[in-house]
Amino acid sequence: KAGVTQTPRYLIKTRGQQVTLSCSPISGHRSVSWYQQTPGQGLQFLFEYFSETQRNKGNFPGRFSGRQFSNSRSEMNVSTLELGDSALYLCASSLAQGADYGYTFGSGTRLTVV
Amino acid sequence: AQTVTQSQPEMSVQEAETVTLSCTYDTSENNYYLFWYKQPPSRQMILVIRQEAYKQQNATENRFSVNFQKAAKSFSLKISDSQLGDTAMYFCATTTPGGGNKLTFGTGTQLKVEL
Repeated sequence: KAGVTQTPRYLIKTRGQQVTLSCSPISGHRSVSWYQQTPGQGLQFLFEYFSETQRNKGNFPGRFSGRQFSNSRSEMNVSTLELGDSALYLCASSLAQGADYGYTFGSGTRLTVV
Repeated sequence: AQTVTQSQPEMSVQEAETVTLSCTYDTSENNYYLFWYKQPPSRQMILVIRQEAYKQQNATENRFSVNFQKAAKSFSLKISDSQLGDTAMYFCATTTPGGGNKLTFGTGTQLKVEL
C-alpha cells in the first residue's frame, strides 16, 4: 500500500515567485491536511480539504491557497513568495475528516526562498 | 485556544533503557484526542500512539505507553527497551473531536538513543 506522496522533495524559489506543491494521499483517504514546519514557529496548520472542499483553514495570509481534486490529490500554492515562507511543508491524509483518528504524513517538501 | 508544552528540548537514553518524555496541554474541551508523533531524520512524521481523553485507560503500543492524567492535563510518553531506531524528534499533539479539526503540536523533544 503506497504511502502519502509529496512532490517535489526539494524546491528553491526566488522572492516574488509562486510555487505549487503536490500531495497524493493514501488510496481511499479523502482528507488531506497541510502543515508548515519551521524552526521558529514549529508545526502550524495551513488547511484541510475533504471531498474537494476546504473544511478548515489556519491563520495564514491569502497568499497560501490550496485545492483538492476528485481523486483526493491535493495541491498547495503560495504566491508572491517571501523569505519567511522557507519551510518544510508536510501533507497528511486521513480516512475521515479531521485529525481525530491520526494522520499519515508524507515526507514533506523542503521549500527554500532566496 | 489549545496549547501544548514540551519542556524537554533534548533527551538522551542508553540503548535498552527506559525514557519518559513529558507533555502538558491546555484545553477548554472535555472530549479531545492526544497523540505522540515521531519525526526521524527522514522527515516523515509517524504516529506513535493515540489516546482518547474520555478513556481512563492509558494507551499502549508495544514498547510505547502513555501516562495520561486528565485532571493535571499531562500526557507523558514512556519508551521501554529503547532502540537506536527510536532516535527522532517526538511531538506531542492534541485535537478536539468533530469534523475538520486540526492538530496543535508542541515544540518537540529531540531524543537520542546511545550505545
